[in-house]
Amino acid sequence: DVKVTQSSRYLVKRTGEKVFLECVQDMDHENMFWYRQDPGLGLRLIYFSYDVKMKEKGDIPEGYSVSREKKERFSLILESASTNQTSMYLCASSLTTGTNYGYTFGSGTRLTVV
Amino acid sequence: AQSVTQPDIHITVSEGASLELRCNYSYGATPYLFWYVQSPGQGLQLLLKYFSGDTLVQGIKGFEAEFKRSQSSFNLRKPSVHWSDAAEYFCAVGAGGYNKLIFGAGTRLAVHP
Repeated sequence: DVKVTQSSRYLVKRTGEKVFLECVQDMDHENMFWYRQDPGLGLRLIYFSYDVKMKEKGDIPEGYSVSREKKERFSLILESASTNQTSMYLCASSLTTGTNYGYTFGSGTRLTVV
Repeated sequence: AQSVTQPDIHITVSEGASLELRCNYSYGATPYLFWYVQSPGQGLQLLLKYFSGDTLVQGIKGFEAEFKRSQSSFNLRKPSVHWSDAAEYFCAVGAGGYNKLIFGAGTRLAVHP
């Protein structure tokens, strides 16, 4: 089975800190995604990547950046954390562009910014 | 623009009762449709998906969903709910290239003994 691993389950950071959320997948998937999940809003796409060093903005990229230096790793960066970025962050990967096979998700990182 | 609507935020059913969770989508072409389940504190797990063909799709854990193009719906059903089905359920539609998915806001299911 494909496994998507998010390095932290819970994080507490201070306002203004630079925060790195890490995601690693082990099945050579081309596509990787970062979503945030908030009650009543479902999952909203922040950024995605379809290849190494390639990235595309999602629906809510403001305040975030991403890095994909290796195929298996996709990092989400909060340049200067703010309290409104307190949320659950979910990483996902999928196999192939052009066809929708569905995602495999990580377990999520619950980030609290104080 | 593509969108997914899950009209029910919370649903409570008794154990052993039947279940139907509603999902309506907006998409110009033939949609790829998905249902995911999220147990507390966990990531999302794929229950089932529809790409084409038979409009009644079987998934894991005894769930099924029916694609109805005329109603733009993809409702999830289970004939007899178990207490372990209590979770949040998300409907999603494939939104063009790169396998992007657009998710609904979710339906939280509670199961009474």
